[in-house]
Amino acid sequence: AQTVTQSQPEMSVQEAETVTLSCTYDTSESNYYLFWYKQPPSRQMILVIRQEAYKQQNATENRFSVNFQKAAKSFSLKISDSQLGDTAMYFCAFMKYENRDDKIIFGKGTRLHILP
Amino acid sequence: DAMVIQNPRYQVTQFGKPVTLSCSQTLNHNVMYWYQQKSSQAPKLLFHYYDKDFNNEADTPDNFQSRRPNTSFCFLDIRSPGLGDAAMYLCATSGTLTSTDTQYFGPGTRLTVL
Repeated sequence: AQTVTQSQPEMSVQEAETVTLSCTYDTSESNYYLFWYKQPPSRQMILVIRQEAYKQQNATENRFSVNFQKAAKSFSLKISDSQLGDTAMYFCAFMKYENRDDKIIFGKGTRLHILP
Repeated sequence: DAMVIQNPRYQVTQFGKPVTLSCSQTLNHNVMYWYQQKSSQAPKLLFHYYDKDFNNEADTPDNFQSRRPNTSFCFLDIRSPGLGDAAMYLCATSGTLTSTDTQYFGPGTRLTVL
């Protein structure tokens, strides 16, 4: 069975700083997807970034980038130039590759506070 | 231009009194999911519909049921809510079941059980 672990329940950083959220996972699969989802207070969860396990290049989306270490089963999210609107719960998630019968496995989340 | 809409946003019910939560989507997606999210926990998948095909997670209690009368709407019925069912309920949609397809989430319905 797959598991996703986020070791930082809560973090706070000053606006404009860079912050890294940690995630590790366990799987015996060789092909899979990893995700970071953002859930702002009282708003819907949205996909921030997606990484395909067979791609060595780390995914980036504007200020958001990942450090994907497949051998170490590590998938951290870096937020550069953090903004107040980045305050949210962040979930790391895993899904098998192209499998109709599988589901997203979420970590327990990291609550991120961006301080003015 | 809301894409996944959940009503109501807040629902209060009494212990044992049936309650229905609603989800609608404007994306014309084939798949609709219901998740339960308790405070400071990860979302937990309850079940999903692929078109009209219903897939219940093995550990979803019988107390939870779902209906999908058409592509746009999906309902979560809790037949006899207990105090432990108080949670945020998230609806999500995707075009297909594959991992290449992004899931779009609604804002959630926060259920309180008195």
